[in-house]
Amino acid sequence: KAGVTQTPRYLIKTRGQQVTLSCSPISGHRSVSWYQQTPGQGLQFLFEYFSETQRNKGNFPGRFSGRQFSNSRSEMNVSTLELGDSALYLCASSRDSNEKLFFGSGTQLSVL
Amino acid sequence: DQQVKQNSPSLSVQEGRISILNCDYTNSMFDYFLWYKKYPAEGPTFLISISSIKDKNEDGRFTVFLNKSAKHLSLHIVPSQPGDSAVYFCAARFNNAGNMLTFGGGTRLMVKP
Repeated sequence: KAGVTQTPRYLIKTRGQQVTLSCSPISGHRSVSWYQQTPGQGLQFLFEYFSETQRNKGNFPGRFSGRQFSNSRSEMNVSTLELGDSALYLCASSRDSNEKLFFGSGTQLSVL
Repeated sequence: DQQVKQNSPSLSVQEGRISILNCDYTNSMFDYFLWYKKYPAEGPTFLISISSIKDKNEDGRFTVFLNKSAKHLSLHIVPSQPGDSAVYFCAARFNNAGNMLTFGGGTRLMVKP
């Protein structure tokens, strides 16, 4: 069974640009969550989607948004990038909410 | 305000001995706790979890202990193996919070052969 797939693996952007990250969950998993990992703040929850609906949202500004498609694949978007958005963005999926999370390897975003 | 803290950034243990990783939390409303392991360039991998109604859960070499009065949990690895060398994160979840986890800052475990 394929794991959680995140693309791209690495990304370099400049301040002010926007970026879209993609996540394909494990087949059969309906919940997709996004986390941001930085050296200073650690792993922080961004949002969770279940059956195309946002179920929970973390404490991030509105520049961070996401969506989930009918095939459970998810994208997250960050607009007007800031230097502080440089981080590893991790996607995780589970069969249902409240179940064991399986993480992808992440997208390393660098904002210059 | 860090609600979940791992006060030891690193821990070094000899192969075959016990590794004890600690985690403290401040919010008594957390009702489920998890431990994840992370290797470089990979996402975190689930290890073991415990519900707030229990005080111990075992899975092979891994045991998690929960002390609710102290708001403290610990992960014991016995015996430790070099392949256990990784960063370990504890995480906590509120009831009905779905997959919204609050993570600690992580502890880097090094198991020496």
